[in-house]
Amino acid sequence: KAGVTQTPRYLIKTRGQQVTLSCSPISGHRSVSWYQQTPGQGLQFLFEYFSETQRNKGNFPGRFSGRQFSNSRSEMNVSTLELGDSALYLCASSLSGHEQYFGPGTRLTVT
Amino acid sequence: GQQLNQSPQSMFIQEGEDVSMNCTSSSIFNTWLWYKQDPGEGPVLLIALYKAGELTSNGRLTAQFGITRKDSFLNISASIPSDVGIYFCAGPYTGTASKLTFGTGTRLQVTL
Repeated sequence: KAGVTQTPRYLIKTRGQQVTLSCSPISGHRSVSWYQQTPGQGLQFLFEYFSETQRNKGNFPGRFSGRQFSNSRSEMNVSTLELGDSALYLCASSLSGHEQYFGPGTRLTVT
Repeated sequence: GQQLNQSPQSMFIQEGEDVSMNCTSSSIFNTWLWYKQDPGEGPVLLIALYKAGELTSNGRLTAQFGITRKDSFLNISASIPSDVGIYFCAGPYTGTASKLTFGTGTRLQVTL
């Protein structure tokens, strides 16, 4: 079974721009969660989608949004990028929500 | 909010040695997960624990779900160079299975 894939792997953007990251879950997994990882804050939960609906949300500003498609693929969008948004963005998929399997991440650098 | 503290923060060990690390919480958890992350990669799930007192192994790795439900332990026996990485414990936020809280991580370095 193929694992979780994320595209792109690396991205460089300028402050004020917006960005869209993509995640394809493990086949059969309907839950997709997104996390932000930074050296200072560690791994922090952004949101989770299940069957195209946002089921849970973390404590991030509204600039961070996401969606899930009928094939369970998910995208997250960050608008009006700030320097502090530079991070590794990780997507995880799960059958039930408990055991989450992570993709390799997208390294976003904001300059 | 829920916080998970891991200790030690980092450790240097020699190849062949056994390793122990732990994770403690101020709140009760019903599930404990242990992940390993290599540089530039996503965390890889090592072991999942669902019952207080449960002891589960995955090769040279053994994890335990603490009786108080507020802690968990991970042991690695006979460490090898590829064990290098950061080990994270994680648990679901109260009442929300899919919203994981992650520990601060234990960085393991193995010397030959």
